[in-house]
Formats: sequence, structure tokens, C-alpha cells
Amino acid sequence: GAGVSQSPSNKVTEKGKDVELRCDPISGHTALYWYRQSLGQGLEFLIYFQGNSAPDKSGLPSDRFSAERTGGSVSTLTIQRTQQEDSAVYLCASTPGGQSSYEQYFGPGTRLTVT
Amino acid sequence: GENVEQHPSTLSVQEGDSAVIKCTYSDSASNYFPWYKQELGKRPQLIIDIRSNVGEKKDQRIAVTLNKTAKHFSLHITETQPEDSAVYFCAASIQDYKLSFGAGTTVTVRA
Repeated sequence: GAGVSQSPSNKVTEKGKDVELRCDPISGHTALYWYRQSLGQGLEFLIYFQGNSAPDKSGLPSDRFSAERTGGSVSTLTIQRTQQEDSAVYLCASTPGGQSSYEQYFGPGTRLTVT
Repeated sequence: GENVEQHPSTLSVQEGDSAVIKCTYSDSASNYFPWYKQELGKRPQLIIDIRSNVGEKKDQRIAVTLNKTAKHFSLHITETQPEDSAVYFCAASIQDYKLSFGAGTTVTVRA
């Protein structure tokens, strides 16, 4: 079946503008995660959704970052008033949910460049 | 929170030789340790994982070992091939959802 998809694949924006990044998880996956990967770095956890609720938002770097998920499916990560340090690849992942489903299936990522 | 350190940051091996990547973690409550492979320009993919009740797991040329006392785990790739060239990430998880990743190891297999 179809894997996790993300859009856009690349986004160039000017400093101060708002951006929206979209994630479509695997159909039926109840858990969804956002990560940020800066150049040469590991993956930094941002937020976790179980269904439409976000029990863990502890990784969001500032109040300029927010995310929502609707219908237990699509999620949008919004960055307001973008800064140059926001430039990174933003990865989304999903899992079926439940105690036995640990493997996270990643999307291809959105490369965000703030000029 | 959990802190995962990964070494080395880069690793170059001759084709056919073995590659070993080591990770340490800080929280003794961590109970799940996956390894992800990320080829250039592609998404991370799980290659092997281990739970805290197991000391070693093997899948063909790949094996992972876990030492809970020392809080470290390692990835072993034997008989390396050019297609093993990629960035490898270790991770640790306390809860069943939140992964803390190492910074990654860039493995280059020389033909």
C-alpha cells in the first residue's frame, strides 16, 4: 500500500513568513510523529499525535511552531514568522499504534529553506 | 530526557570487512532500541531493533547487541557491500512512541 507522504518536498521561504507542511500517514495508522533533521544531525522529536490529540508536544522548539491533526489522518505542521534557524528537513512518521507496533514508517520529508 | 550518543560519526570500510557502530543511552528505563538506515536523499528505514529483554539479535549480515548494565548497544554489519553505504541512526525509547536518536554515522564502503 501507499507509504507516508509529505508535501511540499521542498519549500523556500523568506524570513518572517509562515509555512505549512503537510503529512499524510499510512491509512489506518493512529499514531503520527513529526521530527526535524538539521544538516549532519540526528532526528529531533517535535510532537506526537495519537488520533487527533497530541499527548506530547515537548519537542516543539518555540511557540512559533504548532501542529494539528484532523480526522485521525492528515497532519499539518505550521511554523509562524520563520527564522533562518528553522531551515531543516522536516520528517513525518506513523505507526499503527498500540503496544506492539514500535516501527516508525517515515515520509520523504520536506526540505525547508528560510532565506 | 533521554540522551543518545553515537560513535563514530563517520566510518570507512573496505568491501567485505565488518562495520561496528556504538551507541550509549542515559536513561536506564529505556526499553526499545531501533536502528535506522538513511540512504542519501531518502527516508530513514528501520533495519533492525531490539527490546530490553534480549541481549542480541541477528538478521542475515546485521546484528545488534545490547548491554543494559553499561547502557550501550551496537550495530554490527558483516561482509559489507557497496549498498551498505548510508547514514545509520541508533535510537532509544522509554515510552512506546518517543524515540531519541543519535547524531548518525556515515558509513562508506570502499570497493
